[in-house]
This record gives sequence, structure tokens and C-alpha cells, in this order.
Amino acid sequence: GEDVEQSLFLSVREGDSSVINCTYTDSSSTYLYWYKQEPGAGLQLLTYIFSNMDMKQDQRLTVLLNKKDKHLSLRIADTQTGDSAIYFCAHLNTGGFKTIFGAGTRLFVKA
Amino acid sequence: NAGVTQTPKFQVLKTGQSMTLQCAQDMNHNSMYWYRQDPGMGLRLIYYSASEGTTDKGEVPNGYNVSRLNKREFSLRLESAAPSQTSVYFCASSGGPGQPQHFGDGTRLSIL
Repeated sequence: GEDVEQSLFLSVREGDSSVINCTYTDSSSTYLYWYKQEPGAGLQLLTYIFSNMDMKQDQRLTVLLNKKDKHLSLRIADTQTGDSAIYFCAHLNTGGFKTIFGAGTRLFVKA
Repeated sequence: NAGVTQTPKFQVLKTGQSMTLQCAQDMNHNSMYWYRQDPGMGLRLIYYSASEGTTDKGEVPNGYNVSRLNKREFSLRLESAAPSQTSVYFCASSGGPGQPQHFGDGTRLSIL
């Protein structure tokens, strides 16, 4: 199967850390992605990780990959109101051309 | 810095009408994609074109056709629109397998 599961909503206070979780079923995924979608816009790539990595850090973003459990997480440090958006977890399928997306997690940041 | 451009941004159709959604990218990407986004369902792939001259079905191709006009352009056609095709349609492009996709801002399509 190629399913990607995410929780639909997350609410945090400004300044706190946000952790968005994702599980997937395709154990042969090579690339895993996090995209951000702001209202009225398309998806914007935030970061991605290769399946042979455990962690990737990029400024306020930390991606953790547990390949054994097929679990991917995105941590946003010092969350700001501008981080309010929908975050999509995605992975590249074994054929290499199709990216499978989760349903997205809507992040609410309270001031 | 145009990236991926979709036209139109909004459209309202009556059931049975036809419509072509246009997409163009200026990044010299080989691969292009069409998705639809519905509430609570994420993005579902309609069709994709791995390279100029090829097209393949995705997860939900029924009721749609595509044309890869050239390397830059990939259009999506609804021959006989149905209310179930009310959605937001996104075009994307990538350099090739494994490379991240770049998205347009979407076309919001309502079918009455």
C-alpha cells in the first residue's frame, strides 16, 4: 500500500514547538517530503529527507525519520503565527514518478 | 520567478460543459503533474507526464484527459463536467524522479 496518515489538526501557542507526525506504509520509499500550504496558494516544499538518513535540520525545522516504524515527524521550533498553514507529508513511491500525499495537518498558532 | 503558472484561477461551469485548464512551467522541468485537492483527502494524482511526449494515468483519471503540448505546457481537459469534479486543481512540475515538485497556485473549479 501507499497510504500516508497524518492527524488533521494541531494547535500550539506562539513561541512553543510544534511537532507534526506522519506514518506511511511503503517501506521502499526513497524520498520523504514536507510541504506547506498557505490559504489560497499551492504547496511549497519545506524540506525533504532521504530514506538513509535519520534526521535533518534546517534552521527552525527538524525532520526525524524512523524507518523501522515508518514514522516521519516535522518539528518547528519557536512557532510563529506565520507558520499557521496546512502541512503535508509525502513520499515518493517505488516507481519513482508518483508522490503520495497525506491529507494534511492544519496547524493553528495562537498568539 | 514565474515557476508554475496555472490559468484560470477560478471557473464556474454548468454540468456537461467542457473546459481546459492550462499549466506552464519555466524551469525546464521534464516531469509535470495534475492533482485535485478535496477537503480531508489531501492531493490525488489525476495524470502525470514523466517527460515530453508521454502521459500516464494517476489515481483518479476518470473524466479527464491531458495533453503534454511541449516541454513547458501540460493541459487538463474536462470533456463533460460533473458536480463531482468540483475541486481545486493543482499543476506541478519536477526535474525528474525523486526531485521535489513545484506547484502552481491552483484553479478553483465549481460545477453546478
